[in-house]
Amino acid sequence: GESVGLHLPTLSVQEGDNSIINCAYSNSASDYFIWYKQESGKGPQFIIDIRSNMDKRQGQRVTVLLNKTVKHLSLQIAATQPGDSAVYFCAENVENNDMRFGAGTRLTVKP
Amino acid sequence: KAGVTQTPRYLIKTRGQQVTLSCSPISGHRSVSWYQQTPGQGLQFLFEYFSETQRNKGNFPGRFSGRQFSNSRSEMNVSTLELGDSALYLCASSLLGMQNGNTIYFGEGSWLTVV
Repeated sequence: GESVGLHLPTLSVQEGDNSIINCAYSNSASDYFIWYKQESGKGPQFIIDIRSNMDKRQGQRVTVLLNKTVKHLSLQIAATQPGDSAVYFCAENVENNDMRFGAGTRLTVKP
Repeated sequence: KAGVTQTPRYLIKTRGQQVTLSCSPISGHRSVSWYQQTPGQGLQFLFEYFSETQRNKGNFPGRFSGRQFSNSRSEMNVSTLELGDSALYLCASSLLGMQNGNTIYFGEGSWLTVV
């Protein structure tokens, strides 16, 4: 079946480096994507979203890239900080359907 | 503006009991959706309510139910609890619902342990 998936379950980076978290989706009808950050013991926190009519969107230290050709979504975090350590989920929304979530990637930032 | 509020944050129940969890959405949001999160299954959609009507439902047994009140506050109920129901239950709210491609915002969740 169609699903949202992540390439890597864990990612470890050095403080100050840039992080890239990837997500693959298989439903070409998906038209809205969200990245969430979930810290231990807390609920998912909205980071950034992008609609299918865009291929790039920037926020504060974060950038989301959408490649519809290969059905790939990525989250780039600039100058990663210890506070960025968390599990990151991508989610896709298919028109008139529910939101589906990836398994998550655990980002660990080493000081 | 206050975020999504869930109560209780932590609870322990015995197998066979039932539990009710509460969620207050962000002011002005009319859609409330519920999710179950476990280490093995990740985040799974339970159901969505909009204007007091269940609009969307995930693949969970009938023991899982919910409702929404006129002020958009929502409750979910799990009856005849099983050990496998132990999980973090998350509530999320959005302005008009996920079907409209609206951003959904999560609460901190209710940790349920079934013993």
